[in-house]
Amino acid sequence: DVVMTQTPVSLPVSLGGQASISCRSSQSLVHSNGNTYLHWYLQKPGQSPQLLIYRVSNRFSGVPDRFSGSGSGTDFTLKISRVEPEDLGDYYCLQSTHFPPTFGSGTKLEIK
Amino acid sequence: EVQLVETGGGLVQPGKSLKLTCATSGFTFSTAWMHWVRQSPDKRLEWIARIKDKSNNYATDYVESVKGRFTISRDDSKSSVYLQMNSLKEEDTATYYCTTDYWGQGVMVTVSS
Repeated sequence: DVVMTQTPVSLPVSLGGQASISCRSSQSLVHSNGNTYLHWYLQKPGQSPQLLIYRVSNRFSGVPDRFSGSGSGTDFTLKISRVEPEDLGDYYCLQSTHFPPTFGSGTKLEIK
Repeated sequence: EVQLVETGGGLVQPGKSLKLTCATSGFTFSTAWMHWVRQSPDKRLEWIARIKDKSNNYATDYVESVKGRFTISRDDSKSSVYLQMNSLKEEDTATYYCTTDYWGQGVMVTVSS
């Protein structure tokens, strides 16, 4: 199975500041069809995960443009600018290029 | 508004069975590929099963750890997806979510004697 390594485990940030989360895969996530199936989720405290970014850099419906995704191959980044209180929680990356889909172990975004 | 509501969880003894139901609304269920994902008490997320739509012959896939024990199914007339879980093990203890692009609120399954 593809191993997804997320760093850091915990990320203290100041409100209004910027956060960056890394996700690295044990093999390339470029599918044979040319697409890269790397997605980002946020799980707010006490809630279920919600889709933020799909296929590396596409914001899901209703996601503010403070969230941006980038990367290619095996190295991906989620950036959050102007962090707001509602951004706090656990962030997970997911790859669905290879079977079975696998998640990263999560990054907790918390207030500094 | 998109809604996914999971039911059927609870406390069950090892070796027993449980069936989860996910009732959905607010999107075109019949063309959606539906998934079950579980989150263990240590918050790790694990994808466990998927069922494709009618045009893909309702094909199913499972993670190795549940293959042969769990069965995913769907009823497009009820916009619902199911997860039949047999021969449950203590390591199946988790919150189970049904998902498409959206996620349900989850249902807790505890396997313990």
